[in-house]
Amino acid sequence: GAGVSQSPSNKVTEKGKDVELRCDPISGHTALYWYRQSLGQGLEFLIYFQGNSAPDKSGLPSDRFSAERTGGSVSTLTIQRTQQEDSAVYLCASRKSTGTGLLNEQFFGPGTRLTVL
Amino acid sequence: DAKTTQPPSMDCAEGRAANLPCNHSTISGNEYVYWYRQIHSQGPQYIIHGLKNNETNEMASLIITEDRKSSTLILPHATLRDTAVYYCIVRTNNAGNMLTFGGGTRLMVKP
Repeated sequence: GAGVSQSPSNKVTEKGKDVELRCDPISGHTALYWYRQSLGQGLEFLIYFQGNSAPDKSGLPSDRFSAERTGGSVSTLTIQRTQQEDSAVYLCASRKSTGTGLLNEQFFGPGTRLTVL
Repeated sequence: DAKTTQPPSMDCAEGRAANLPCNHSTISGNEYVYWYRQIHSQGPQYIIHGLKNNETNEMASLIITEDRKSSTLILPHATLRDTAVYYCIVRTNNAGNMLTFGGGTRLMVKP
């Protein structure tokens, strides 16, 4: 079936502008994660949605970052007043939440490469 | 996540086995060893995970030492498409875990 999709694949913006990044998770996956990956770096957790529970926002680097997940499916990550240090690949992942003790690997999308000039 | 240590890079000849080591000496009893890889310009891809027994699937084998302080990911017949950064992480298997990757091992499969 279809995997996780993200759009746009590339986004170039000017410093100070707002951007919206979209993630379509795998159908039926109740957990959704946003990460970012700077050039040559590992993964940095941003935010996590699980069903109808309040999201875990502990990884958001500043109040310029926000995310929402409408209808338990599509998610949008918004970055306001972008800065050059926001330049990174933003990755979305989804997981079929089936409880503990079971395979719960996350499936990643291809990412959105954000460049802030 | 408990800290893991991996060599920054490795080379492997095409068709040969690639053995990627990972040290996780502070792993807790309820933490699993997970391996992901990331091919250039793609998102990370789950490979395999295990608790204490060796595991094998269609992609790879995972060998975990008896004391669980280290493990080895084995790609039995590496191909050029296996060139990627391989990440070893340890974490509990509870719902909701976010992934935190370190630097990983950059595997270069050469013809």
